[in-house]
Amino acid sequence: DTGVSQNPRHKITKRGQNVTFRCDPISEHNRLYWYRQTLGQGPEFLTYFQNEAQLEKSRLLSDRFSAERPKGSFSTLEIQRTEQGDSAMYLCAGSLDNSPLHFGNGTRLTVT
Amino acid sequence: AQSVTQPDIHITVSEGASLELRCNYSYGATPYLFWYVQSPGQGLQLLLKYFSGDTLVQGIKGFEAEFKRSQSSFNLRKPSVHWRDAAEYFCAVGPTNFGNEKLTFGTGTRLTIIP
Repeated sequence: DTGVSQNPRHKITKRGQNVTFRCDPISEHNRLYWYRQTLGQGPEFLTYFQNEAQLEKSRLLSDRFSAERPKGSFSTLEIQRTEQGDSAMYLCAGSLDNSPLHFGNGTRLTVT
Repeated sequence: AQSVTQPDIHITVSEGASLELRCNYSYGATPYLFWYVQSPGQGLQLLLKYFSGDTLVQGIKGFEAEFKRSQSSFNLRKPSVHWRDAAEYFCAVGPTNFGNEKLTFGTGTRLTIIP
């Protein structure tokens, strides 16, 4: 068990480009969450999966955002047509049912 | 709607001094309460949690927090801070009858330790 792993750690992209982030949770975590954290703020919930099923999406998750967890293990978060307002730290977290969240180190996205 | 207020954006304390970080929440019933710590460029690590029972909760790294229903507070304390405690601290609140997707985080308190 090496913890929740997120890749890449940093991503710089130009406005309008698509980006994809990956999260590999701890194997026993049946729930996987995506959060977004902007500078000076706490994490904000985006979406979560119970195994492979996406059960809830926040209103923050616009149509340009899509998340998948195809086999109930790793997850990807894709942002299409990135905007400068998408610049943030994207955090992945896992849990076994409603146990407390176990966070990864995040992917920092900078949109220029 | 639930909310969390961390009134102190930045706190500076001397190494070895005591620490108290404030957290006030708004929620209609007994909430789940959490404190997380985030070092620069890292994810969040759980320090402690309160679900029910004893209102004084012990956590990792020598931290403790006390749930005070009458004050809607869940302040984090440590009797003697170390330079390694310098980080950002987040309080979070969640409803007892839902899961982690309903967690609301505060805006954080940045802790600076001076030698």
